[in-house]
Amino acid sequence: NAGVTQTPKFQVLKTGQSMTLQCAQDMNHNSMYWYRQDPGMGLRLIYYSASEGTTDKGEVPNGYNVSRLNKREFSLRLESAAPSQTSVYFCASSEVRSGTGPSPLHFGNGTRLTVT
Amino acid sequence: QKEVEQNSGPLSVPEGAIASLNCTYSDRGSQSFFWYRQYSGKSPELIMFIYSNGDKEDGRFTAQLNKASQYVSLLIRDSQPSDSATYLCVVSGTGRRALTFGSGTRLQVQP
Repeated sequence: NAGVTQTPKFQVLKTGQSMTLQCAQDMNHNSMYWYRQDPGMGLRLIYYSASEGTTDKGEVPNGYNVSRLNKREFSLRLESAAPSQTSVYFCASSEVRSGTGPSPLHFGNGTRLTVT
Repeated sequence: QKEVEQNSGPLSVPEGAIASLNCTYSDRGSQSFFWYRQYSGKSPELIMFIYSNGDKEDGRFTAQLNKASQYVSLLIRDSQPSDSATYLCVVSGTGRRALTFGSGTRLQVQP
């Protein structure tokens, strides 16, 4: 049981290059998320997918696109990377739980991205 | 005003002491509250969650929630050097499907 798997673990891009961060979960969770973490700012939500076939913008979506390929996979694409996108990116998944609101997040190991 | 506020620390406590981590939130409709621990260079991992007012205990950890004061805390009893990490307070917002993270409190447990 791998949980949430992200690839790659590290990436260096030049300004203007594109790349896709991959994420897959094997916990049969409906909801998946992409966060970025910057020093002193906590985790900020980029995009999320409440269920297969749906995606919604989070707090900081500009410069990113996502695809919920199927229930397991949720990818994040940077079309034209900028130095401001240098960050640690985390993918997460969760169950959908009624009544008490969101259920806990299960995180991948993160991708450290540097844009020069 | 940030939606979820935490003192960034570092909070330094001696080994064996009680560490008290605090968090305030702005959305009165919030229903779900989580504490995550994050070691340097690692991903966050869930420690506790609490939905109802009062205390919830799990081993050395106690989460406390006061919705009237919009305040949630995490107590760590018998602190160990291995507890040294950043602790993230996470709160659900009304009408939203995702969670809002505080920027975290760095805890240092001195041997």
